[in-house]
Amino acid sequence: ETGVTQTPRHLVMGMTNKKSLKCEQHLGHNAMYWYKQSAKKPLELMFVYSLEERVENNSVPSRFSPECPNSSHLFLHLHTLQPEDSALYLCASSQQPSGGGETQYFGPGTRLLVL
Amino acid sequence: GQQLNQSPQSMFIQEGEDVSMNCTSSSIFNTWLWYKQEPGEGPVLLIALYKAGELTSNGRLTAQFGITRKDSFLNISASIPSDVGIYFCAGVFSGTYKYIFGTGTRLKVLA
Repeated sequence: ETGVTQTPRHLVMGMTNKKSLKCEQHLGHNAMYWYKQSAKKPLELMFVYSLEERVENNSVPSRFSPECPNSSHLFLHLHTLQPEDSALYLCASSQQPSGGGETQYFGPGTRLLVL
Repeated sequence: GQQLNQSPQSMFIQEGEDVSMNCTSSSIFNTWLWYKQEPGEGPVLLIALYKAGELTSNGRLTAQFGITRKDSFLNISASIPSDVGIYFCAGVFSGTYKYIFGTGTRLKVLA
């Protein structure tokens, strides 16, 4: 149990659907992350929120829309996705960077299949 | 962009054998992290290293932060079937949100 939960664990959606992924962390952290994990590729950082403000947006298509209503919750809203967006979407949390001692904890992921 | 070279990509070993894997980079990191990921799950943190030369153990796992700060290795002693999974390294630039991940080492243990 890592203290980071994600729902749903599995999601199948059509290209015209709208869905949302949810992440919740119980670790008292103040930074949250969305990563995309595709087969045989390094983890791709998508978004970072720190103290509920977006601090990183790595050229992610606008069909992915993050939302961070508070430091414990992070959402990823999905609309008009493409089949190549099928992947494991991982949420992570950490303390705000402080010049040392950084550690990041991951949730179990949402396995997304876009048909 | 920054890259981490993680090797080997995959390993098939017999139960009871020791395992070694490493990550190298052209960048200097302030933190090295090692994770294990099992099928259908997210990466789980195994060991965190914060000082060059640091050697840290977690049960049968031992990891070291390279002196040059550009590399790290992870050893697993006396492997068991439940060690199966993908092991990732991550380098972190201190004071940033940049966690750079390796491509993983897939470990299979034959009983």
